Amino acid sequence: RKEVEQDPGPFNVPEGATVAFNCTYSNSASQSFFWYRQDCRKEPKLLMSVYSSGNEDGRFTAQLNRASQYISLLIRDSKLSDSATYLCVVNSNTNAGKSTFGDGTTLTVKP
Amino acid sequence: DAGVIQSPRHEVTEMGQEVTLRCKPISGHDYLFWYRQTMMRGLELLIYFNNNVPIDDSGMPEDRFSAKMPNASFSTLKIQPSEPRDSAVYFCASRDTLSGANVLTFGAGSRLTVL
Repeated sequence: RKEVEQDPGPFNVPEGATVAFNCTYSNSASQSFFWYRQDCRKEPKLLMSVYSSGNEDGRFTAQLNRASQYISLLIRDSKLSDSATYLCVVNSNTNAGKSTFGDGTTLTVKP
Repeated sequence: DAGVIQSPRHEVTEMGQEVTLRCKPISGHDYLFWYRQTMMRGLELLIYFNNNVPIDDSGMPEDRFSAKMPNASFSTLKIQPSEPRDSAVYFCASRDTLSGANVLTFGAGSRLTVL
């Protein structure tokens, strides 16, 4: 089993739709969590950190469920420019600070 | 800060040649990571350093790959001899753990093609 697992998609949604991605992790001692966005032929870039209490940044909401060991990303009112691959990242505090990425979920927003 | 700087951005080489990829992390960051990305295998962690010391190199594919971090501002990833299956985008990333941010910042990547 992979340490961090995501549904690869692809998710194809119309503009204005709401879409949600989930990510599960296997290490219960994982310490910090993030969502990254990667555009085609570019490097991954931080989208948002994920906090235990949940956090929101405009149209994006991230949540963490430690009991079930998953994190989620919700995108409301999706735009064409949201089309990208979304990667979840888990930092471990038991493996000397290792950062592990999921394989990513591909989103295509269509007009 | 200029961010994480990688060079070269693109390299095309022939099988059997030595390849050296370079990375300059963000000043003050205490962790440095090397990742490889392909369509088939996604983003794979090759090796990472903490305060210039290699912590985990279990992701390095084989002995042909080696990485060094001689000081806090420079790291190299070397492939010798290179093979066509090494063709990928190699990313370097650094992270500041001491401030508590724990956010990885990536370089633009080095796209390697081995013919």
